[in-house]
Amino acid sequence: DIQMTQSPSAMSASVGDRVTITCRASQGIHNYLAWFQHKPGKAPKRLIYSASNLESGVPSRFSGSGFGTEFTLTISSLQPEDFATYYCLQHNNYPVTFGQGTRLETK
Amino acid sequence: EVQLLESGGDLVQPGGSLRLSCGASGFPFSTEAMSWVRQAPGKGLEWVSAISGHSLSILYADSVKGRFTISRDNSKNTVYLQMNSLRVDDTAVYYCAKGSQLTPTEYLQHWGQGTLVTVSS
Repeated sequence: DIQMTQSPSAMSASVGDRVTITCRASQGIHNYLAWFQHKPGKAPKRLIYSASNLESGVPSRFSGSGFGTEFTLTISSLQPEDFATYYCLQHNNYPVTFGQGTRLETK
Repeated sequence: EVQLLESGGDLVQPGGSLRLSCGASGFPFSTEAMSWVRQAPGKGLEWVSAISGHSLSILYADSVKGRFTISRDNSKNTVYLQMNSLRVDDTAVYYCAKGSQLTPTEYLQHWGQGTLVTVSS
């Protein structure tokens, strides 16, 4: 199985901060990588697909990059509604696997 | 508008069984693969199972293989997850989501709101 190592597992930040979350795959996954935002009691929301494509309706402050084994999600200027947990997901091979999550908290 | 609505979550004893349903609308259901993903309390997201549009391809996570069965009824626009031999560590919110992993533009783009399964004596 492909392991997705996501870092950090948690972080504190302030409104306006630039935030970067990293996912590393245990083997190459091309660009079969998506990023999700998850808030308590809500369905996960896909933000990025194919590593760098922004989901329709998602603010442009979110961006993704990477290929192969190293991927990043960047929030250019954190907004109050962005405090949530973020997950990467590889779907190059089954079983598809999520990173362990990054809990983004207000400082 | 794509809508997915899970149901069937409940409190069940260890060793018991439960069947989850996910009703779908807003897209051509029979052409779309469907997946189940779960989140245990305080834990991250975990993929559970997937089924192709006409049930020719069915996959399971090792953690549920041999105990869970995914199926679908395209005439009812519904996908099911039959869960047998339930364990305490199957306690989770179960989500259904649509899309094939081979179609990145749509894979897990849409999710239901989830249904809670609690396994406890």
